[in-house]
Amino acid sequence: NAGVTQTPKFQVLKTGQSMTLQCAQDMNHEYMSWYRQDPGMGLRLIHYSVGAGITDQGEVPNGYNVSRSTTEDFPLRLLSAAPSQTSVYFCASSFGTGEKYGYTFGSGTRLTVV
Amino acid sequence: GDSVTQMEGPVTLSEEAFLTINCTYTATGYPSLFWYVQYPGEGLQLLLKATKADDKGSNKGFEATYRKETTSFHLEKGSVQVSDSAVYFCARGTSYDKVIFGPGTSLSVIP
Repeated sequence: NAGVTQTPKFQVLKTGQSMTLQCAQDMNHEYMSWYRQDPGMGLRLIHYSVGAGITDQGEVPNGYNVSRSTTEDFPLRLLSAAPSQTSVYFCASSFGTGEKYGYTFGSGTRLTVV
Repeated sequence: GDSVTQMEGPVTLSEEAFLTINCTYTATGYPSLFWYVQYPGEGLQLLLKATKADDKGSNKGFEATYRKETTSFHLEKGSVQVSDSAVYFCARGTSYDKVIFGPGTSLSVIP
């Protein structure tokens, strides 16, 4: 039972480059979300999805795109990387919305933009 | 708006000491409340939860009671171990498909 799998674990990008952070879950969870974690700021929601084909913006969506073509996968795309996007990114999934049952988190992707 | 406030860290305790990490939330509706733990280099793990007033969540010796009258959900453990060193996040559900996290409290337990 893999849970939530994120790849890559580490990535260094140059300013202006694009990339996709991968997230996959094998628990048949409908709800998936992306957070970024920055020192002193806790976790901030970037985008979330309540099911395949449905996505919505969170607190800090600018500079990021998502899509949800399957229940299992929820990739996060950085369109044109900026140093302000240096952060640790976590994908999370839940049965239901997570508001009642809590989230299962991946182990994170540490991204550095230079 | 909805928010969660936690005591600032870092917190440093000796092994077997009593732990309290304070958490308060804004009283919008009747949210579910959570504590998550993040060990170094890992993602967050759900530690415990409570879904209604006066519920007590518990796991691995940690406890927290949902106090509606004080809008609090303080985390406690009677005797901490070195292996409890981690960052602890309080969180609350919302009515719009989201969970709001506090800023986290770093705990270091020394032998």
